Amino acid sequence: GESVGLHLPTLSVQEGDNSIINCAYSNSASDYFIWYKQESGKGPQFIIDIRSNMDKRQGQRVTVLLNKTVKHLSLQIAATQPGDSAVYFCADLEWGTVNKLTFGGGTRVLVKP
Amino acid sequence: EAQVTQNPRYLITVTGKKLTVTCSQNMNHEYMSWYRQDPGLGLRQIYYSMNVEVTDKGDVPEGYKVSRKEKRNFPLILESPSPNQTSLYFCASSIARGSSYNEQFFGPGTRLTVL
Repeated sequence: GESVGLHLPTLSVQEGDNSIINCAYSNSASDYFIWYKQESGKGPQFIIDIRSNMDKRQGQRVTVLLNKTVKHLSLQIAATQPGDSAVYFCADLEWGTVNKLTFGGGTRVLVKP
Repeated sequence: EAQVTQNPRYLITVTGKKLTVTCSQNMNHEYMSWYRQDPGLGLRQIYYSMNVEVTDKGDVPEGYKVSRKEKRNFPLILESPSPNQTSLYFCASSIARGSSYNEQFFGPGTRLTVL
């Protein structure tokens, strides 16, 4: 079946630098793409989403970019902080009979002081 | 405080001993779902519920049962647990309209070990 995947399993970033987390997807029928953050010992937490008819969306210190031509999604975190250390998951949602999130495998971000 | 709660948080059991993991949310959400998380496989959906008395299978439903008798509760039942059900389980809920599905609220997780 189709799935959402990730390029890099671990990303080490210096505190204060920008982080870029990448994700490849295969379902061209997805209506939304979403990023979740999971801190150690906790459940995933919604960060930001982007509709499939957009190519960029900004939140607080985060920007999601969508390139439908190459089926690529990225999350940019500006001025990475120690609290950003976590596992980040991309997911997609296809509207229809079943509105279900399909998650990728996750990327661990380690922020170095 | 708006939250999703799960109990127990940790459970070690033996093969074949029936168990139930409870999930409760206080946000009046229609949609609830169970996921399991395994290393390298991300989160995979087990069962979901669009509203009271409405449940359906996700991607990996084998060996699990659910019920939705009340809006706030969505228990996960393992009638005869097996070692391959050792995993980290998450319950989630959301509003069941449009893009609100994107923002699912997750519980803290239940780590289950089946010996």
